[in-house]
Amino acid sequence: DAGITQSPRHKVTETGTPVTLRCHQTENHRYMYWYRQDPGHGLRLIHYSYGVKDTDKGEVSDGYSVSRSKTEDFLLTLESATSSQTSVYFCAIRDGSNQPQHFGDGTRLSIL
Amino acid sequence: DQQVKQNSPSLSVQEGRISILNCDYTNSMFDYFLWYKKYPAEGPTFLISISSIKDKNEDGRFTVFLNKSAKHLSLHIVPSQPGDSAVYFCAASDVGGGSNYKLTFGKGTLLTVNP
Repeated sequence: DAGITQSPRHKVTETGTPVTLRCHQTENHRYMYWYRQDPGHGLRLIHYSYGVKDTDKGEVSDGYSVSRSKTEDFLLTLESATSSQTSVYFCAIRDGSNQPQHFGDGTRLSIL
Repeated sequence: DQQVKQNSPSLSVQEGRISILNCDYTNSMFDYFLWYKKYPAEGPTFLISISSIKDKNEDGRFTVFLNKSAKHLSLHIVPSQPGDSAVYFCAASDVGGGSNYKLTFGKGTLLTVNP
């Protein structure tokens, strides 16, 4: 298994509260990605990083921010959580060319 | 606008038979395609990939076919086993366009292999 740890694995919180999800890798891979999975939508890219302090938006970035201060950690923050952000969040990593992304086991986030 | 489409939400096959999962794409810039398998409460697991310079790639029981002119790819599983029961996602990337290997996913197909 690729060395990817997502924390927490489950979280329940209230609307309007800030939430931070963590993705930690032990593979020293350059690229890291955050996706959300919702019924009827597959996986959609939120933000990604192509190096320390280098990040960019994905398809569904509104309401989310990210930070990558060191290679091994990629944080996803919901500044003020809304019920529409209830979802399962997956982190993925990859290294060089012609290599697939490898995924963590996900964080199930419920916003009440 | 959905750029990667998996038009069959579900598929049921008998153990030992062939499973064929289909995927269509609309973005002609996509040049790298992947299939992932996902079990409940786990992350997607990479299965097999194909570059646009090929039309077939095989790995054990899994074969992916790519038809660029039709913008269509398919995953064949032969023979199907009950442990193959999972959701299968098709994904595509515009590697040559400097996309940072971002993936665009289809909505997935639930495969059920009956004993």
